[in-house]
Amino acid sequence: EDQVTQSPEALRLQEGESSSLNCSYTVSGLRGLFWYRQDPGKGPEFLFTLYSAGEEKEKERLKATLTKKESFLHITAPKPEDSATYLCAVQEGGYQKVTFGIGTKLQVIP
Amino acid sequence: ETGVTQSPTHLIKTRGQQVTLRCSSQSGHNTVSWYQQALGQGPQFIFQYYREEENGRGNFPPRFSGLQFPNYSSELNVNALELDDSALYLCASSDRTGGPHEQYFGPGTRLTVT
Repeated sequence: EDQVTQSPEALRLQEGESSSLNCSYTVSGLRGLFWYRQDPGKGPEFLFTLYSAGEEKEKERLKATLTKKESFLHITAPKPEDSATYLCAVQEGGYQKVTFGIGTKLQVIP
Repeated sequence: ETGVTQSPTHLIKTRGQQVTLRCSSQSGHNTVSWYQQALGQGPQFIFQYYREEENGRGNFPPRFSGLQFPNYSSELNVNALELDDSALYLCASSDRTGGPHEQYFGPGTRLTVT
């Protein structure tokens, strides 16, 4: 069964203090790995899709990378508005099911 | 471009009752997936609908059922509600044409079962 483990569960950063969130996954044949941002009481907001090991994608202060066993979401010089829960999800080849991790709750303090 | 919408926003039901949640997919999307998100957890896949047929199901009992309509909107029905069904129910739409499909989520329906 697909497994997605995110760490840390919670992270508190000072504004401007860069860091990385980790997503470890176990899947038979990765079809795609997704990163989402979720604000309290709202639906997840799509950030990135990564398809194969070595791939990287960037958006503003966020950069997502992928290896054969894990993905990292790097946050450079975060701002308070980056505070949210970041969710990682994987889709196995040949299946429609998308498996989510529990998320990392990020708090950026001014 | 219209995003994913869900109704109602909040709902309170009694154990044993039945509930129907609704979702309108994003313009141009042909696939709808439903997720259950308990407090402090990640979304759990319930099922997916493509071309009006169920196309993939997670570990949820048969009392969770759904429909997709020709305009790609969808309904989630839950019978015989249990206390543990209290959660945020999320609908996500995508265009299944091609490879791994990015999903775009609606704001969710908060269901409370008492």
